[in-house]
Amino acid sequence: QVHLAESGGTVVQPGTSLRLSCVASGFSFNTYAFHWVRQAPGKGLDWVAVIWYDGSYKYYADSVKGRFTISRDNSKTTVYLEMNSLRPEDTGVYYCARDRCSTSCYAGMDVWGQGTTVTVSS
Amino acid sequence: DIQMTQSPSSLSASIGDRITITCRATQNIDNYLNWFQQRPGQAPILLISRASDSRRGVPSRFSGSRSGTDFTLTITSLQPEDFASYYCQQTYSGPFTFGQGTKLEMK
Repeated sequence: QVHLAESGGTVVQPGTSLRLSCVASGFSFNTYAFHWVRQAPGKGLDWVAVIWYDGSYKYYADSVKGRFTISRDNSKTTVYLEMNSLRPEDTGVYYCARDRCSTSCYAGMDVWGQGTTVTVSS
Repeated sequence: DIQMTQSPSSLSASIGDRITITCRATQNIDNYLNWFQQRPGQAPILLISRASDSRRGVPSRFSGSRSGTDFTLTITSLQPEDFASYYCQQTYSGPFTFGQGTKLEMK
């Protein structure tokens, strides 16, 4: 069945790096765009980044631009989020979700993973 | 960047009530507006896409509408499972911002 599974979350110190993975199954991976969305404890949803179906377009929230990099490997049906220079305010649950995008994203994030928890603390 | 202002931030209602949640965009986003429901400890669920397209499997008591840059989520005849948090999100142009969220609580 259609499924997304995030992994890689852990406890890290400020200033360090971490890579999250999102493995997809059950659908045509290379026809979908993917978003990363995070949620700090007790807070709302915070959009982080998106990558187009072919990797040709990437966009980032201002709060992570220059520190985070989104990428994908269509042969492994996996999306990544490379996070550098981590800050305490990056703490939260990180979700990946699929969508369909051309100039805008038009289908809605209809499939989400269960999330992976990142804690940035000294 | 496009900002989304969602209101109210919290709402107290009873089983069977009709409620509305509103999101306003700071500029035109056409109908690139989605609504999500999130229960505690769970991933969000897409309820409505493109402002008014209800997703398959979503109960018909959930509906969305648009008037210019104002968007509304309406839930008629609240059921116990509807008490959750709700978020709007624009996907017209990046960054694809969410509203601040509305926590729907039982009166």
